[in-house]
Amino acid sequence: DAGITQSPRHKVTETGTPVTLRCHQTENHRYMYWYRQDPGHGLRLIHYSYGVKDTDKGEVSDGYSVSRSKTEDFLLTLESATSSQTSVYFCATAPGGADSYEQYFGPGTRLTVT
Amino acid sequence: DAKTTQPNSMESNEEEPVHLPCNHSTISGTDYIHWYRQLPSQGPEYVIHGLTSNVNNRMASLAIAEDRKSSTLILHRATLRDAAVYYCILRLNNAGNMLTFGGGTRLMVKP
Repeated sequence: DAGITQSPRHKVTETGTPVTLRCHQTENHRYMYWYRQDPGHGLRLIHYSYGVKDTDKGEVSDGYSVSRSKTEDFLLTLESATSSQTSVYFCATAPGGADSYEQYFGPGTRLTVT
Repeated sequence: DAKTTQPNSMESNEEEPVHLPCNHSTISGTDYIHWYRQLPSQGPEYVIHGLTSNVNNRMASLAIAEDRKSSTLILHRATLRDAAVYYCILRLNNAGNMLTFGGGTRLMVKP
């Protein structure tokens, strides 16, 4: 299995507070992704990165920012958390390249905004 | 973006084959068909993918219709550990490896 860890695994926070979720990988994969999953739904892409300091928006990027200063770490920040951002957040990585086809997912972070 | 349509849920008996269908009538010539599954309380995991030809691996088989407008994931002998949500996803053959998840099919396996 790809070495992907997410921290924290669970977090409860109050509306209006900033929150940062961390994704750490040990596979030296080029691509990293942040998704959110809400009950009864599939995953939706928030942001992704295609290299250090190279990021782009996904389908549901409003209210989120990301940073990638090192290959192994991809941070997702909620500048001012809202109740609609209560969700399970998954990080994923992919090697990149013409033969790369698989994304590897982390265990998820359950975020509750009260 | 091309979309996929899957049944919301399916049931299977343990040790019997399972055929999970997926319709993708608007698929383009460069879209790969990917299947991921998500076990309870875990992140998704890759199962199999294909472009035009049928594919087999240790987890499953993928049967792709000749017109590519539908595909079927085949689990040859379902086990209780195969109970999961199975996602059929179309992926553009681009460097970003972007995946767009739909609702998936929840597979329940009865002992």
